[in-house]
Amino acid sequence: GENVEQHPSTLSVQEGDSAVIKCTYSDSASNYFPWYKQELGKRPQLIIDIRSNVGEKKDQRIAVTLNKTAKHFSLHITETQPEDSAVYFCAAVPGSARQLTFGSGTQLTVLP
Amino acid sequence: DAGVTQSPTHLIKTRGQQVTLRCSPKSGHDTVSWYQQALGQGPQFIFQYYEEEERQRGNFPDRFSGHQFPNYSSELNVNALLLGDSALYLCASSPAGTGELFFGEGSRLTVL
Repeated sequence: GENVEQHPSTLSVQEGDSAVIKCTYSDSASNYFPWYKQELGKRPQLIIDIRSNVGEKKDQRIAVTLNKTAKHFSLHITETQPEDSAVYFCAAVPGSARQLTFGSGTQLTVLP
Repeated sequence: DAGVTQSPTHLIKTRGQQVTLRCSPKSGHDTVSWYQQALGQGPQFIFQYYEEEERQRGNFPDRFSGHQFPNYSSELNVNALLLGDSALYLCASSPAGTGELFFGEGSRLTVL
């Protein structure tokens, strides 16, 4: 089955700096890679996703890049703000399945 | 348009008891998946229901069972509860043909 590894487990940045979270996956058939933000006590919320037919996708301050050859994808947050502080999870969906395999999460703290 | 709704939001059980959690998917979604999220970890896939049948299952014992009704709502049942079953149980729904999951707020189960 699919295995997703996520790094780092914790990340602290100063407000205004950029944050990068990286994930690798094992199943070359995976074709959908969403990122979720989870605030304390809340549900995971989809913030951006990318499909295997593109290499990069941007949405305002958030971008995701995908390297299919190396089987890794990354989340980039620019101009970080205190409200970006949360746990971020990457995930992968193999083939035609609609189940997500999640990474272990990154606790992002944006220091004012 | 209501999103994914789950009930109950919190519950406390003792070891050996049984629990039933309920989920109503987002309007227009026909697939329901259940995830277990232990404290400090990423969600783990339990199983997925589509057309009232269990289509995929993660690495969970038979104590975990489920059901999907004709209106696409779903139940998760856990028998013979163990302390380790304490977790946030997340329901997610998705529309046909996509891997995009929308999560409910979850049911937080505490087993004493």
